[in-house]
Amino acid sequence: KNQVEQSPQSLIILEGKNCTLQCNYTVSPFSNLRWYKQDTGRGPVSLTIMTFSENTKSNGRYTATLDADTKQSSLHITASQLSDSASYICVAFYGNNRLAFGKGNQVVVIP
Amino acid sequence: DTAVSQTPKYLVTQMGNDKSIKCEQNLGHDTMYWYKQDSKKFLKIMFSYNNKELIINETVPNRFSPKSPDKAHLNLHINSLELGDSAVYFCASSQQGRNEQFFGPGTRLTVL
Repeated sequence: KNQVEQSPQSLIILEGKNCTLQCNYTVSPFSNLRWYKQDTGRGPVSLTIMTFSENTKSNGRYTATLDADTKQSSLHITASQLSDSASYICVAFYGNNRLAFGKGNQVVVIP
Repeated sequence: DTAVSQTPKYLVTQMGNDKSIKCEQNLGHDTMYWYKQDSKKFLKIMFSYNNKELIINETVPNRFSPKSPDKAHLNLHINSLELGDSAVYFCASSQQGRNEQFFGPGTRLTVL
């Protein structure tokens, strides 16, 4: 079954601390994987895309990794800020323009 | 100069009514989508149109009917609204060959 699982479902972190979000996917044939950030009351916005051959990619304080062998991806947030409070959604693209969404990691950054 | 816009932003209506949500994108994309996000924040694709043609139709009741008058618009019409239709509906667009999707701000539908 083509699906994406994310963990933890939610977490609370102190401002300035780091955190890592996990995404496991079982789609086939795999094309690429995106992480989206969704602020409350807004639509998701793409943070980064990981293709089959890429292991790591950074976008500011966000660093995504991909292990195509174990079918796992992670999103690391460095020096968290209050504005990082959001839902982070992992989306795996596969086959002919198909996609599978994770249920999101809800991150709350507290001062 | 909003990239993907939806109207209305909020929609409150009675069970059994028929309502429409409109979506427009000015990015020149050829593919548009409708998603439903439930109370648990899970995004689920409903429809996808490419150049005005339906290419993805997930398991959605036939009370939901998308209409694409042109590449820049994809409207969603819902007949005989039910309580379970209450959710946030997102429109998105992308360019074929590039799977980054640009989402609209969402329409919060509440059925009473």
